[in-house]
Amino acid sequence: DSGVTQTPKHLITATGQRVTLRCSPRSGDLSVYWYQQSLDQGLQFLIQYYNGEERAKGNILERFSAQQFPDLHSELNLSSLELGDSALYFCASSPRLAGGPRDTQYFGPGTRLTVL
Amino acid sequence: GENVEQHPSTLSVQEGDSAVIKCTYSDSASNYFPWYKQELGKGPQLIIDIRSNVGEKKDQRIAVTLNKTAKHFSLHITETQPEDSAVYFCASTDSWGKLQFGAGTQVVVTP
Repeated sequence: DSGVTQTPKHLITATGQRVTLRCSPRSGDLSVYWYQQSLDQGLQFLIQYYNGEERAKGNILERFSAQQFPDLHSELNLSSLELGDSALYFCASSPRLAGGPRDTQYFGPGTRLTVL
Repeated sequence: GENVEQHPSTLSVQEGDSAVIKCTYSDSASNYFPWYKQELGKGPQLIIDIRSNVGEKKDQRIAVTLNKTAKHFSLHITETQPEDSAVYFCASTDSWGKLQFGAGTQVVVTP
């Protein structure tokens, strides 16, 4: 158990809908990262937040957005869902921003999103 | 941006034999190289990592080597056991902490 929690575990929805995925980082971790894992794309970095502020963006679609709240939990919002958005979505957390000896990322169990 | 290549994509080994997975990276500024193990239905779990000021690191049956000049790093698993069966991902990170993952290696350990 990494200490990172994600809810829900599974989510089934229809095309065009909007969903919210939730992540609670390990106690004391300030950075939260979101990743998408699909069969044909592997693990893709989406976005990073540090202490409530967006710090880095990866291959995140404009239909997707995220935020980190004052209690450091984070939410990933996916809207206008398409069939191709079906994937595993992982959250990871690390103690600091980056570049130091304590920047190891620990992953949560993931949310499996199925768009029908 | 950073590009990480990982080989092989699948690896079958007999229990007790060694397994080696190799990765190459492109960004010479990369300074941190973690390895993750992902079992079916679970999130990636960090198993070992190495930083750019170290050439080799060992933790029981697992070792990682890094060649910064050649920009490649490898995972070595000795005395493999059935519970080592999983998908293994290498990754490299730039100074901002952004992880770029390899495509993964499916390791199957047969008794």
